[in-house]
Amino acid sequence: GESVGLHLPTLSVQEGDNSIINCAYSNSASDYFIWYKQESGKGPQFIIDIRSNMDKRQGQRVTVLLNKTVKHLSLQIAATQPGDSAVYFCAENGAGGGADGLTFGKGTHLIIQP
Amino acid sequence: DGGITQSPKYLFRKEGQNVTLSCEQNLNHDAMYWYRQDPGQGLRLIYYSQIVNDFQKGDIAEGYSVSREKKESFPLTVTSAQKNPTAFYLCASSIGSGNDGYTFGSGTRLTVV
Repeated sequence: GESVGLHLPTLSVQEGDNSIINCAYSNSASDYFIWYKQESGKGPQFIIDIRSNMDKRQGQRVTVLLNKTVKHLSLQIAATQPGDSAVYFCAENGAGGGADGLTFGKGTHLIIQP
Repeated sequence: DGGITQSPKYLFRKEGQNVTLSCEQNLNHDAMYWYRQDPGQGLRLIYYSQIVNDFQKGDIAEGYSVSREKKESFPLTVTSAQKNPTAFYLCASSIGSGNDGYTFGSGTRLTVV
């Protein structure tokens, strides 16, 4: 079964505000985590990743935070834009060290209000 | 440009038919994966392959089959044994075993008519 889950199925934010999307994982053996963005009718696109030896990683307008103590992952998007509207998935490499691929959460649909 | 291509984008299947979804990559990736996505759901693993001529069942392999005769290609056949095949199918590839990011294709939407 899935070991990765999302706290909220839908998140609505005002344009220009910061967004925070959360993810809980249950497999303490996971050591690699990724966030993907999926626009309607398209394949997921890589946003940012983090390995378990880090607790924070920053990209362009995005930050991923990893709290291994409580098995929690979050994606922060700064100054949200209309183009950020999409479904966001977290993924982990699981107990097999990734041998059977990544395990994905159900996703959070981010809606940007004008 | 390197990438991963899925075809067709839309596919219609009649009851009792087998259909094959194509997935080709020119990224020189060893690993390839097939996922199924249903509305409001995450991605569920159907089959994966870490190397040519070898593949493994994922969580929902029943009613599906694959082959990996070439490094670049990982076609998925949806057989008549798959009772609820209508879904969005995603192919992905990675350099290694999943400890690196995936590159996804643009997906194939399969509908039973």
